[in-house]
Amino acid sequence: NAGVTQTPKFRILKIGQSMTLQCAQDMNHNYMYWYRQDPGMGLKLIYYSVGAGITDKGEVPNGYNVSRSTTEDFPLRLELAAPSQTSVYFCASSYSTAKNIQYFGAGTRLSVL
Amino acid sequence: AQSVSQHNHHVILSEAASLELGCNYSYGGTVNLFWYVQYPGQHLQLLLKYFSGDPLVKGIKGFEAEFIKSKFSFNLRKPSVQWSDTAEYFCAVDAGNNRKLIWGLGTSLAVNP
Repeated sequence: NAGVTQTPKFRILKIGQSMTLQCAQDMNHNYMYWYRQDPGMGLKLIYYSVGAGITDKGEVPNGYNVSRSTTEDFPLRLELAAPSQTSVYFCASSYSTAKNIQYFGAGTRLSVL
Repeated sequence: AQSVSQHNHHVILSEAASLELGCNYSYGGTVNLFWYVQYPGQHLQLLLKYFSGDPLVKGIKGFEAEFIKSKFSFNLRKPSVQWSDTAEYFCAVDAGNNRKLIWGLGTSLAVNP
């Protein structure tokens, strides 16, 4: 059982480039989340989804886009990378929000230079 | 706005010392409470959770936490820490069924052998 899988693990981007961070879960979870983690700042929610075709903004959505075409996949898109987007990105999923136990992927470390 | 406060940002202990990490939240209704741990270079994983019932909950690796409703607190404890407990610890609260967790900023724990 793979759980939550994120790719790539590491990436270096130049300013203005775009990329997609992939996230897939095989637990049939309805709810999926994207966070960024910066040193000393905890986790900030970027976007979340409550099911296929439904997404909503979190605390820090600017500069990012998401889609949820299937239950399994929840990719995060950076259109015009900026140095402020240098961070570690975590994807998480949960079965329900009644007892919102979130399961995390291993993370993607992104540097924008 | 709902918030979670972790009082200790950095804690340094020697092996066998006792640990208590503070967590307070601001929400007057029913809450679900979580502690997550992030070992160096790894993803977040659930340490323990409280949904209802006995306010003293036990988690993995000898950790426990006590929910004190009157104090809006959910402090994490361990009687005797080990070097392998070196990690970052996050408190999170699910309040009001708003589909999202509210996260504290985290506490970095270093245990010296």
